[in-house]
Amino acid sequence: NAGVTQTPKFQVLKTGQSMTLQCAQDMNHNSMYWYRQDPGMGLRLIYYSASEGTTDKGEVPNGYNVSRLNKREFSLRLESAAPSQTSVYFCASSEMVGGPRETQYFGPGTRLLVL
Amino acid sequence: AQSVTQPDIHITVSEGASLELRCNYSYGATPYLFWYVQSPGQGLQLLLKYFSGDTLVQGIKGFEAEFKRSQSSFNLRKPSVHWSDAAEYFCAVGAGSSASKIIFGSGTRLSIRP
Repeated sequence: NAGVTQTPKFQVLKTGQSMTLQCAQDMNHNSMYWYRQDPGMGLRLIYYSASEGTTDKGEVPNGYNVSRLNKREFSLRLESAAPSQTSVYFCASSEMVGGPRETQYFGPGTRLLVL
Repeated sequence: AQSVTQPDIHITVSEGASLELRCNYSYGATPYLFWYVQSPGQGLQLLLKYFSGDTLVQGIKGFEAEFKRSQSSFNLRKPSVHWSDAAEYFCAVGAGSSASKIIFGSGTRLSIRP
């Protein structure tokens, strides 16, 4: 039982390049989330998927797209990377279908540097 | 709008000493409150949570937190810290009906003095 896994662990991009961050969970959770973590700002929600087949914007969705490929996998895509997207990205999952009471389980993070 | 404030960016305590990390929230009704810990290079792990009932909540690793409505606070405590407690601690508040309403504080980094 690996929990939440993320790939890659670290990535360097040039401005304008695209990439997809992958996330998978093996806990049969319904909801999945993408956050970014910047120094002094805590975690900010980019997008979330309350259940398979649905996605919704969070606090900072601009410049990102997501795909809930199936119940296990939730990917985050940067179509044209910008230096402002340099950050650490965390994927999380929770058991229930959306809601503010849920315990979220986090992956180890992807550190992204955009030059 | 809801918000959460962790006023201490960095705290250093001696091993064996007691610890209190502060968290203040802003929300009109009773919020859902969480404390998460992030060890270096790792994701966040839930320490404890408060939804209702007893205002003193016990968590993992010997941590506890107390919900004080009158002070809009949810401070995290531990009677005796260990070197392995060195990490970053995040308070979070959930409100409303959507997962997008979970707001994380900016974090408090805890260092342990040998």
